[in-house]
Amino acid sequence: NAGVTQTPKFRILKIGQSMTLQCTQDMNHNYMYWYRQDPGMGLKLIYYSVGAGITDKGEVPNGYNVSRSTTEDFPLRLELAAPSQTSVYFCASSPTRDSSYEQYFGPGTRLTVT
Amino acid sequence: DAKTTQPPSMDCAEGRAANLPCNHSTISGNEYVYWYRQIHSQGPQYIIHGLKNNETNEMASLIITEDRKSSTLILPHATLRDTAVYYCIVRDFMTTDSWGKLQFGAGTQVVVTP
Repeated sequence: NAGVTQTPKFRILKIGQSMTLQCTQDMNHNYMYWYRQDPGMGLKLIYYSVGAGITDKGEVPNGYNVSRSTTEDFPLRLELAAPSQTSVYFCASSPTRDSSYEQYFGPGTRLTVT
Repeated sequence: DAKTTQPPSMDCAEGRAANLPCNHSTISGNEYVYWYRQIHSQGPQYIIHGLKNNETNEMASLIITEDRKSSTLILPHATLRDTAVYYCIVRDFMTTDSWGKLQFGAGTQVVVTP
């Protein structure tokens, strides 16, 4: 199993540009999450999904959109990038809620908006 | 979910036990205690979790006080590779609006020195 993979690893965007951060997991997990981590801070939840076709907002959803058309993929879309979105983005997945709730994290995407 | 309080940093000598405290005085009966760690520039990694009994796995031990208001993560023989930020998280798995979401605080920066 590759686990949770994210692409790209690094990206620099200009203000106002858009991009999609890709996330794929091969563990057949129903639950998937997107977090952002600002320097020196803990992770904050952006969006999450409990299964294909079902998504919901987390703590800091403004400026982002998600979709979940398959169990494996959970892309995060940034529209009209702003400097405040400079952060490290982590995707995670976990089995159904009856499990131990361990979340498996990807390696992250480092995004800079200038 | 209940909030947690952790010291911002601590040092530990290589080969010695590292004892990481966490206060969660407002924890409720349905809330588990989880520990994750984040090595620099990597995604968080699950360590251990528990409800009220002490737990041990290949990575660490978790000691939860009888009143469940605090816990201690023990790394029995710290190595340089254990240098990381350690997060103590509590969450309720019984309510449907939890959906596996983890709330990360600032954590404890642990530095293991030779």
